[in-house]
Amino acid sequence: SQQGEEDPQALSIQEGENATMNCSYKTSINNLQWYRQNSGRGLVHLILIRSNEREKHSGRLRVTLDTSKKSSSLLITASRAADTASYFCAGRNPTDKLIFGTGTRLQVFP
Amino acid sequence: NAGVTQTPKFQVLKTGQSMTLQCAQDMNHEYMSWYRQDPGMGLRLIHYSVGAGITDQGEVPNGYNVSRSTTEDFPLRLLSAAPSQTSVYFCASSYSLAGVGELFFGEGSRLTVL
Repeated sequence: SQQGEEDPQALSIQEGENATMNCSYKTSINNLQWYRQNSGRGLVHLILIRSNEREKHSGRLRVTLDTSKKSSSLLITASRAADTASYFCAGRNPTDKLIFGTGTRLQVFP
Repeated sequence: NAGVTQTPKFQVLKTGQSMTLQCAQDMNHEYMSWYRQDPGMGLRLIHYSVGAGITDQGEVPNGYNVSRSTTEDFPLRLLSAAPSQTSVYFCASSYSLAGVGELFFGEGSRLTVL
């Protein structure tokens, strides 16, 4: 399977703590995106990191990309209960298809 | 703008029945796609289209059919439903297939095949 593997599968933290999710692929990837999915809803785009970037920030989000290791990480700082959702990485494979990871379920307790 | 609209939201079928999941977008996006989401497996690409009259297979196309007669609509047909097709289906569109194009998703259609 071309799917990305995400780690951890599930993460539970308290409000105010930081949440880190990791994503890795077996094939080379480009232009990696992160999406958020609230329970029972569609996915929403969060942030894009281009292949020539190593790190990118957007508000409380920090994303890193290591193309040599075929991996990316998403850090959410100062988590809030409203951040409770599933998070998916999605990278472009060599044929330019967008391949999703298996997802991390984040639970933030008030 | 409504974005990407999927119907129905819920559907129960018996094995062997056929049905069509509807998807429409009002953003004038050339690229449209269908994914299925199963527990622990993320999203897998079923079929996609890069423009009216052009469709292609994704990772898991068997048992599904698509057509793209207009820019706005991209229906997904299940020809003879099987229990293995029980899943949540998402339609997504983008202004670009390649490079940095982000996907805009519908709210999903939950299908149960008995």
